[in-house]
Amino acid sequence: DAGVTQSPTHLIKTRGQHVTLRCSPISGHKSVSWYQQVLGQGPQFIFQYYEKEERGRGNFPDRFSARQFPNYSSELNVNALLLGDSALYLCASSFGLEAQYFGPGTRLTVL
Amino acid sequence: AQSVTQLGSHVSVSEGALVLLRCNYSSSVPPYLFWYVQYPNQGLQLLLKYTSAATLVKGINGFEAEFKKSETSFHLTKHSAHMSDAAEYFCAVSGANFGNEKLTFGTGTRLTIIP
Repeated sequence: DAGVTQSPTHLIKTRGQHVTLRCSPISGHKSVSWYQQVLGQGPQFIFQYYEKEERGRGNFPDRFSARQFPNYSSELNVNALLLGDSALYLCASSFGLEAQYFGPGTRLTVL
Repeated sequence: AQSVTQLGSHVSVSEGALVLLRCNYSSSVPPYLFWYVQYPNQGLQLLLKYTSAATLVKGINGFEAEFKKSETSFHLTKHSAHMSDAAEYFCAVSGANFGNEKLTFGTGTRLTIIP
């Protein structure tokens, strides 16, 4: 069975630009969550979507937004990129409460 | 509110020795607890989970963890370390009810295996 997939794998942007990251959940999973992992730290929760509705939001500025599509895939958008947005962005999917399964991540570098 | 504290940012053990990675949690609601492993330049892989069934949880690759409510701990152990266990390990907590599913992670423990 296919796991969580994310695209692109790597991305280089300059300050002020916009970026869109994509995630496809495990088949049958209706919940998708996004996390930011800065180098040397644990992942930080950004968003959770369930059945296309936002279920939770972490302590991130409004420059961060997301959405979930009818096929349960999801996009994370970040506007007006800052150097501090450089990180590994992880997507996780889940079925119910029991566990979240992570994709390989998108490495974003902001120059 | 929930939080996780991982004691020891770096742990080194000899190949074949016991691995013990410590995790203490704080949660205002009944918790679910998880251990994830991250290899360099990769995402997180679920090792094991506690979801209010048995307090001693067995996971993949010979790892296990015990939920101790009285000590608010969920330490990860493996009886015999293997070179392939070298990685970053994260403990995480979530709520055991809808609306509290977000994972709150610790800062991670880097495990080094000495040949």
